[in-house]
Formats: sequence, structure tokens, C-alpha cells
Amino acid sequence: ILNVEQSPQSLHVQEGDSTNFTCSFPSSNFYALHWYRWETAKSPEALFVMTLNGDEKKKGRISATLNTKEGYSYLYIKGSQPEDSATYLCAFSQASKIIFGSGTRLSIQP
Amino acid sequence: GAGVSQSPSNKVTEKGKDVELRCDPISGHTALYWYRQRLGQGLEFLIYFQGNSAPDKSGLPSDRFSAERTGESVSTLTIQRTQQEDSAVYLCASSLTLIAGVGGRGNIQYFGAGTRLSVL
Repeated sequence: ILNVEQSPQSLHVQEGDSTNFTCSFPSSNFYALHWYRWETAKSPEALFVMTLNGDEKKKGRISATLNTKEGYSYLYIKGSQPEDSATYLCAFSQASKIIFGSGTRLSIQP
Repeated sequence: GAGVSQSPSNKVTEKGKDVELRCDPISGHTALYWYRQRLGQGLEFLIYFQGNSAPDKSGLPSDRFSAERTGESVSTLTIQRTQQEDSAVYLCASSLTLIAGVGGRGNIQYFGAGTRLSVL
């Protein structure tokens, strides 16, 4: 059974602080790892797609790293802002399967 | 340009009725995906289309669920004899080519706003 685990389930962070969370996935037959941001009442929005071991991606204050050998990816948010409040989903694709984690719900407190 | 469009945005139905959910992908996207999220749970992959072909239907929860796609455009997800456990948000996404296939690894999925289905 393919399983994608995200931790923590939820996170409360003070505005201005930096934070990070984890996505764990099977290390065999890896194709790609996706990160999405899902704000309430909106559609999930793709942040990053990573395909190679050691990949690092950055978009503004958000960055992600990938380790396919050990099966994990970290998402980092530097200097959190209220607009970063959302659920962050990772998804692992392997052959014809795409499996999402349950997400990390991030709340930024002013 | 236009994004992924889903209709209806909300659907309330009685147990036992059939429902049809529609997804219009981004023009030119060959791959289309259906997901659902039940209350308090993660995003569950249901089925994908490459063109109008769905090679793997094992993600559909039961034989009451079926999906079709016309060419590389509109897809419909049909749920027959709805049950209360079918209540969920049903999301559709499309990508240029299949993200899980060779050559498509770097592709991004673009999601629609979803259909919230409530079965009474």
C-alpha cells in the first residue's frame, strides 16, 4: 500500500516566524513529488514539482527540498505572513498512481 | 486564459438518486484527474484520463461510480444510487500531459473549484 504522510497535521505560527513541515513518501519507483497550497474556499494551487534527488525549489519566501533515496521532502516558509495560512498538500506520483498526503494546516497568528 | 471549470458548484441530492458532475479542463490539456475529499479526510485520487482513455479505474470507490471523457475535453463523473458516504467535495484537475507518465514528470496539475455534493 502506497502511503504519503505529512507532519505535523496542523501548525500555529506567529507572524514573522519561519516554519517547515515534512512529507514522507515511498522511496521506490519515484516519479515526482508535488507541493500544493490549498486556501479555504479556493482550488489547490501548485507550488512546486520536483523530480530529481537533491532538487531544491524556491518561490518567494517558500522553498522545498527533496530526498528521494530516503523518501522525504521539506517545505520551508520564511518570515510567515497571514496570507500563508492554508493547507499545504504534498502528492507523490509513481507510474499511474498519484497519492496525496492529508496535508499540514498552517495558521499564521498576527 | 480560462482555468478548469466544474459544475455544479454545489449539489444536494436524496439518497438513491443519480448525480452527474462535470469538468471542463484547460484547453489543450490531455490529462484529466478526478479526486474527492470527504469531511476530515485527505484528497483521494479516483481516476485519471489520458485523452479519452482511463487505463486504471481501480481508484473508483465502487461500481456505482463511473467516468467518461469526450476526446480531450469535457469529463463527467456519474454516481448512481447515491449514498450518504458519497457526500464530499469532488475536485477535477488537468495537466498538459499525464504527470505520472514518462515525459510528464514535471507537469503541474491545475485544479477546478470543486463540486460539493451533499447526499441527504
